[in-house]
Amino acid sequence: AQSVTQLGSHVSVSEGALVLLRCNYSSSVPPYLFWYVQYPNQGLQLLLKYTTGATLVKGINGFEAEFKKSETSFHLTKPSAHMSDAAEYFCAVSDIADYKLSFGAGTTVTVRA
Amino acid sequence: NAGVTQTPKFRILKIGQSMTLQCAQDMNHNYMYWYRQDPGMGLKLIYYSVGAGITDKGEVPNGYNVSRSTTEDFPLRLELAAPSQTSVYFCASSAGTYTDTQYFGPGTRLTVL
Repeated sequence: AQSVTQLGSHVSVSEGALVLLRCNYSSSVPPYLFWYVQYPNQGLQLLLKYTTGATLVKGINGFEAEFKKSETSFHLTKPSAHMSDAAEYFCAVSDIADYKLSFGAGTTVTVRA
Repeated sequence: NAGVTQTPKFRILKIGQSMTLQCAQDMNHNYMYWYRQDPGMGLKLIYYSVGAGITDKGEVPNGYNVSRSTTEDFPLRLELAAPSQTSVYFCASSAGTYTDTQYFGPGTRLTVL
């Protein structure tokens, strides 16, 4: 079975500053990794995903994440935060042995003007 | 193309009452899922379906039932509502399995008093 740990339940950044959200996973087989975003009072939508191939994955709205097998990590970054990035972000993992998604607890991002 | 729709948006139930949360998708997806979201806990899988007539339990199925008579619809039934079922419920669908994006509905906020 796979699991996900998101470090930090709340992150506050200034507009224009780097956004860094941490995600570590455990999986006994090669993982498939996802970041989803949830804006207030909405459902989740996909930001980006890693399945195979290039370990640096680019997503929507300027976000990217890097799969590091040696560190079992899939951290999400954005070089310059915008007010519209205020949301809750979820890391999730699946794999060929258990294809259902397992979600982390989520990280709420607040952007200060 | 409406994507994944859920009704109702909000509902208050008394302890012991029953209700059905409706979910429909118009993307011809085979896979459908029900999650509950509680603060600080991420999303937990309740039930899922891999096609019409096929359903299976997820991580937290107790107190819930599902059916899947058509590809489009995947209702979630709560029997004998309890305060522990107060949560936000999300329905999602995907075309396939472990690498496919899940598309989420807007959610149903349920309170059991």
